[in-house]
Amino acid sequence: AQSVTQLGSHVSVSEGALVLLRCNYSSSVPPYLFWYVQYPNQGLQLLLKYTSAATLVKGINGFEAEFKKSETSFHLTKPSAHMSDAAEYFCAVITFTGNQFYFGTGTSLTVIP
Amino acid sequence: DVKVTQSSRYLVKRTGEKVFLECVQDMDHENMFWYRQDPGLGLRLIYFSYDVKMKEKGDIPEGYSVSREKKERFSLILESASTNQTSMYLCASSAPGTAYTWDTEAFFGQGTRLTVV
Repeated sequence: AQSVTQLGSHVSVSEGALVLLRCNYSSSVPPYLFWYVQYPNQGLQLLLKYTSAATLVKGINGFEAEFKKSETSFHLTKPSAHMSDAAEYFCAVITFTGNQFYFGTGTSLTVIP
Repeated sequence: DVKVTQSSRYLVKRTGEKVFLECVQDMDHENMFWYRQDPGLGLRLIYFSYDVKMKEKGDIPEGYSVSREKKERFSLILESASTNQTSMYLCASSAPGTAYTWDTEAFFGQGTRLTVV
């Protein structure tokens, strides 16, 4: 079965520092992968998605992620953290049927002024 | 703008009550989902539906049922609410992927924070 693992349930960075949130997937074939963001008391919003068109994917709010098949990873990065980036981030994978999404356990990002 | 709307943002119910959580999407999506979100556990799939009157159990269906009488509406039912069902409930919808492309995404509602006392 496909799944994703997010390393680190809490990450703290200083404002202006690099943001790196880790996601590893488990799949025998290249999957479709997603990063979602959730601000307090809200639903999830799509940040970006990998659909095999390009290994480096750019998303909203300056975030990007790189698909690395050799490392089975899809880590999310942002060069310079902003206070407004404080939120919960979820990595997700879609099943082979194309009908179900499975989410990681989430990483809570804190940005320190 | 695409929209998934959940009927309530906050609900407080008593143990043993029958609870209905409603979700409506305006994107004509075939797939609809109910997730439960708890700290440290991420999102866990309760049920999903890929067509009207069709449903499939997710990872944690016990204590829940669903109804999908119309394409745009997917209801989650707690037959007899218990305190361990206190949680955030998220509804989502998506167009189906196909054998040639899974270029789809899930759109989420704002969530319903349910407290069972």
